[in-house]
Amino acid sequence: DGGITQSPKYLFRKEGQNVTLSCEQNLNHDAMYWYRQDPGQGLRLIYYSQIVNDFQKGDIAEGYSVSREKKESFPLTVTSAQKNPTAFYLCATRKVNGETQYFGPGTRLLVL
Amino acid sequence: RKEVEQDPGPFNVPEGATVAFNCTYSNSASQSFFWYRQDCRKEPKLLMSVYSSGNEDGRFTAQLNRASQYISLLIRDSKLSDSATYLCVVNIVDNFNKFYFGSGTKLNVKP
Repeated sequence: DGGITQSPKYLFRKEGQNVTLSCEQNLNHDAMYWYRQDPGQGLRLIYYSQIVNDFQKGDIAEGYSVSREKKESFPLTVTSAQKNPTAFYLCATRKVNGETQYFGPGTRLLVL
Repeated sequence: RKEVEQDPGPFNVPEGATVAFNCTYSNSASQSFFWYRQDCRKEPKLLMSVYSSGNEDGRFTAQLNRASQYISLLIRDSKLSDSATYLCVVNIVDNFNKFYFGSGTKLNVKP
């Protein structure tokens, strides 16, 4: 089955804790993106990566970190420095030279 | 100023109605344009790309006006299943493809 998987579907974070959200794709897409969506708002870009071992900060990167060690995987870590992490996190991919983004099912992060 | 602006709605329409959504974008360097559909608590899914010549897919018609930096989506013969939030998205190709999302327009189609 081709596609983008994100896990877990729901994630609970305690104060001061780092948590990692998984994004895996078998579409062979080069570019991968992480977005955050808050209620009633558009998606905001956290980080993006065009190739393995390279990634760039998006508009709201503070308090987040990523890695891109494999083409298929682009995990996002929400660190304790992110003071308001409760949101819907979406991973997306795009073919090189492609115009369209495709989204994973998302992870909903809640703070306990 | 936001890169992409949309009327948040909600638009409450009866089944069978025609409804139109509008979207404006601020960056004249924007190169690609899209409408995505997002159901409640789900990921966005591509509805259609938008071209200067306009394009149609069944009951859906999208138009782009580059001079006015304006994008529209027309839905004819609305179905209950069209109820969702519609996101306007623009793409700016600088040194990397970055996508900018509107906050979405909510559509409720009533029986």
